Amino acid sequence: GDSVTQMEGPVTLSEEAFLTINCTYTATGYPSLFWYVQYPGEGLQLLLKATKADDKGSNKGFEATYRKETTSFHLEKGSVQVSDSAVYFCALKANSGGYQKVTFGTGTKLQVIP
Amino acid sequence: DAGVIQSPRHEVTEMGQEVTLRCKPISGHNSLFWYRQTMMRGLELLIYFNNNVPIDDSGMPEDRFSAKMPNASFSTLKIQPSEPRDSAVYFCASRERERGDEQFFGPGTRLTVL
Repeated sequence: GDSVTQMEGPVTLSEEAFLTINCTYTATGYPSLFWYVQYPGEGLQLLLKATKADDKGSNKGFEATYRKETTSFHLEKGSVQVSDSAVYFCALKANSGGYQKVTFGTGTKLQVIP
Repeated sequence: DAGVIQSPRHEVTEMGQEVTLRCKPISGHNSLFWYRQTMMRGLELLIYFNNNVPIDDSGMPEDRFSAKMPNASFSTLKIQPSEPRDSAVYFCASRERERGDEQFFGPGTRLTVL
């Protein structure tokens, strides 16, 4: 079945450091890919998405490129802020048994220190 | 729009008691999801409804769990009898249509079973 693998956290960075959170996936067909973010005490919210190979999703300084050849969708940000501290989930959406099923990764906790 | 509404936000109960969690999806959304989040197992999909019909309930842990969606604006997740291992944060999410991309998550219900 479909699966998403994320790097384990927690990831601790100093403010203004460069961020990479790795995500690879396994899926049949052509899935859509997503990054969701969960701030403390809240539900998940969509951060960015890409729906086909070579698409780049971007939002709030974060970006990720859909790489079909490496089945990856790594999240990057050039300069993190304390307010970026959260848990980040990689996810894919693909056809499964006749409906669009979403599969989430286990989440990667990011802590940014001043 | 008020977003996805869940109630209660916190629930503390004793083992063996019945627990009912409630969700009001965003108006006009016709897909609804129930998730459970724990430190050990991460985010797990419990059940998915489309147009009020359960499409995939393979994630429901056992017969103690049941979910209903009597109409497009209301869903319940019931646990009877509850057990300490059911302690988790339960999220409800809705999506505009079956092929839509973004899931909108509610704030979650933190359940503690003593």
